Amino acid sequence: ELKVEQNPLFLSMQEGKNYTIYCNYSTTSDRLYWYRQDPGKSLESLFVLLSNGAVKQEGRLMASLDTKARLSTLHITAAVHDLSATYFCAVEFMNRDDKIIFGKGTRLHILP
Amino acid sequence: NAGVTQTPKFQVLKTGQSMTLQCAQDMNHNSMYWYRQDPGMGLRLIYYSASEGTTDKGEVPNGYNVSRLNKREFSLRLESAAPSQTSVYFCASSADAGAYNEQFFGPGTRLTVL
Repeated sequence: ELKVEQNPLFLSMQEGKNYTIYCNYSTTSDRLYWYRQDPGKSLESLFVLLSNGAVKQEGRLMASLDTKARLSTLHITAAVHDLSATYFCAVEFMNRDDKIIFGKGTRLHILP
Repeated sequence: NAGVTQTPKFQVLKTGQSMTLQCAQDMNHNSMYWYRQDPGMGLRLIYYSASEGTTDKGEVPNGYNVSRLNKREFSLRLESAAPSQTSVYFCASSADAGAYNEQFFGPGTRLTVL
């Protein structure tokens, strides 16, 4: 069965702190995507990770992919209130008709 | 470039009514998708179209039909709406099903079925 699990599902943190969101998946893939969704809005692409060891950074967000562990992380450095949103990972399973499965999302609330 | 557009933005239906959600993209993308988003469930794929003229079922296709009218447009039809179809519906597109599939999403349609 194709599964994508994110944790935590909800995270409340103080400004200035660091934290990591985890995305685990059930079977081989080397294509993984991170999206951001603000309340009541659509999804916006953040990162595209296409190989083992891929690392992408944008501002205070850094995403990485370990295909052997079937794990991606989204690391937040020195969080600011503007990063409050829901973050989704999506995994593309190329050996399964290119199916793309989304995680349930991590709702991040950053307290000023 | 408008990207991915969806109409309508909001809709209220009564049980048993039908409606079509429209989606169009101007990025010359080959693949298009319809998702529904429910609280605590993430996004679930209803149908997708890897190219003009083809459509395939996703995870939750029951109660829906789709049409890939041309390369730009992909519509979702509810033939007989049910309260369980109350959700937010997102259309998305991506460049090529053979390359990586970074998806670009429309603004969504909030549908309530009474």
